[in-house]
Amino acid sequence: AQSVTQLDSQVPVFEEAPVELRCNYSSSVSVYLFWYVQYPNQGLQLLLKYLSGSTLVKGINGFEAEFNKSQTSFHLRKPSVHISDTAEYFCAVSDLSGNTPLVFGKGTRLSVIA
Amino acid sequence: NAGVTQTPKFQVLKTGQSMTLQCAQDMNHEYMSWYRQDPGMGLRLIHYSVGAGITDQGEVPNGYNVSRSTTEDFPLRLLSAAPSQTSVYFCASSYTVGANNSPLHFGNGTRLTVT
Repeated sequence: AQSVTQLDSQVPVFEEAPVELRCNYSSSVSVYLFWYVQYPNQGLQLLLKYLSGSTLVKGINGFEAEFNKSQTSFHLRKPSVHISDTAEYFCAVSDLSGNTPLVFGKGTRLSVIA
Repeated sequence: NAGVTQTPKFQVLKTGQSMTLQCAQDMNHEYMSWYRQDPGMGLRLIHYSVGAGITDQGEVPNGYNVSRSTTEDFPLRLLSAAPSQTSVYFCASSYTVGANNSPLHFGNGTRLTVT
C-alpha cells in the first residue's frame, strides 16, 4: 500500500516570493505521483503529474515539481506566487498497476499575503 | 460539458435521518468514487466503482452504501446519519482507477451537517 505525507499543513508566503510545498511518499513498488489544487469552495483539479521520464515536471499556473526517488519526495515549487495561488494543495500517489485508487495526503493550505 | 455534478450543495440532517447524495457525470467515465474531506484529515476514500454493477469499499466505508446501476450515476446513501458524518463530500470520476492517463474530475462538493 502507498501513503503520502505532506509535511506542512499551512504555508504563508508573501506575494511574488518563491514557495515550496513538501510531499514525501511511502511505497514498496514504483509509483505515479500527482499534485491537485483546491480553490475555495470548489472541487480538486489536477496541477501536474509524474508518470515516468524527466524527474522535473511542469504543470499549470507556473508550478513545477521534482521527483526524487532516493528521497521518496515530490516537492511542489513556484518561483513567484500570486494572490490567486491561495488554495489547498494535495499530493497523491498511485501504483503502476492503475487498478488502485489514488491515495491523497492531508493537504497544505497555501496563503499568499499581499 | 457539465462534468461531475453533485446535488445537493448543502444539507442539514438530524441524527438518525437518511439521505442520498447524488453524483452524475457526462464524460463516460468508468471509474467513480466518493471522498469525504475533514479539517486536518485530507481526503479519505469512502467507496468506489470501476463500472456499472461493480462497487468496492475504500478507507472509511462504515455508515455509507453505494450502488452503480448506470455508468453516469453513483449515489451515496447515508442510512442513519450520525454527527461524525458531518463533512464535505466529493464525488470524482476518471476513465481509469489509477487516474494516471486521465485526471480525476471532481464535483464541487456537498456540505453535510448532522445535528
